[in-house]
Amino acid sequence: EDKVVQSPLSLVVHEGDTVTLNCSYEVTNFRSLLWYKQEKKAPTFLFMLTSSGIEKKSGRLSSILDKKELFSILNITATQTGDSAIYLCAVVPATSGTYKYIFGTGTRLKVLA
Amino acid sequence: NAGVMQNPRHLVRRRGQEARLRCSPMKGHSHVYWYRQLPEEGLKFMVYLQKENIIDESGMPKERFSAEFPKEGPSILRIQQVVRGDSAAYFCASSLAQGGDSPLHFGNGTRLTVT
Repeated sequence: EDKVVQSPLSLVVHEGDTVTLNCSYEVTNFRSLLWYKQEKKAPTFLFMLTSSGIEKKSGRLSSILDKKELFSILNITATQTGDSAIYLCAVVPATSGTYKYIFGTGTRLKVLA
Repeated sequence: NAGVMQNPRHLVRRRGQEARLRCSPMKGHSHVYWYRQLPEEGLKFMVYLQKENIIDESGMPKERFSAEFPKEGPSILRIQQVVRGDSAAYFCASSLAQGGDSPLHFGNGTRLTVT
């Protein structure tokens, strides 16, 4: 069965710290992996990754995919309180509908001032 | 530049009542998806619709649940005779092309509570 596992489940850090969030997956016929940030409302799209080893970057956030070892990491540098959220990882299979995202349960990040 | 609009944000229903959840996709998006998030679980796919067509409803319970996306107006997820197990957050998403080619953009969700 296809699945996505995120770790850690939760994390508390202080402003200015750097965090690394992990997402490992098992899926038949991988197509892409996405990261979302979920505050108290809509999951907001962060990155879509399809190729191994190519880092995607947006400000203090970056992400990379390893298709051989079947995982991705999301890095946040110089964290701010506004980064407090649940970070969701989703994998898209190449078969059975490319809209059937398989989500992990998320990592809950809390950044203290 | 409105995103995906869902209403209501919160909905309380008693067991046996009907729940109607509405979703207007982002401007220019014709692909709509409904996902459900149960407590302590990841979002799970329910149904994929395009205008006037259900493309894939494989993730939706066969009984009591239905969805539509009419030519005019929002997409509707309808749950008849709600039970406590239906309590969850229901998210609608839309995309420009079919999901795998462009990321899904989610609405704020409707939190359904069944008492």
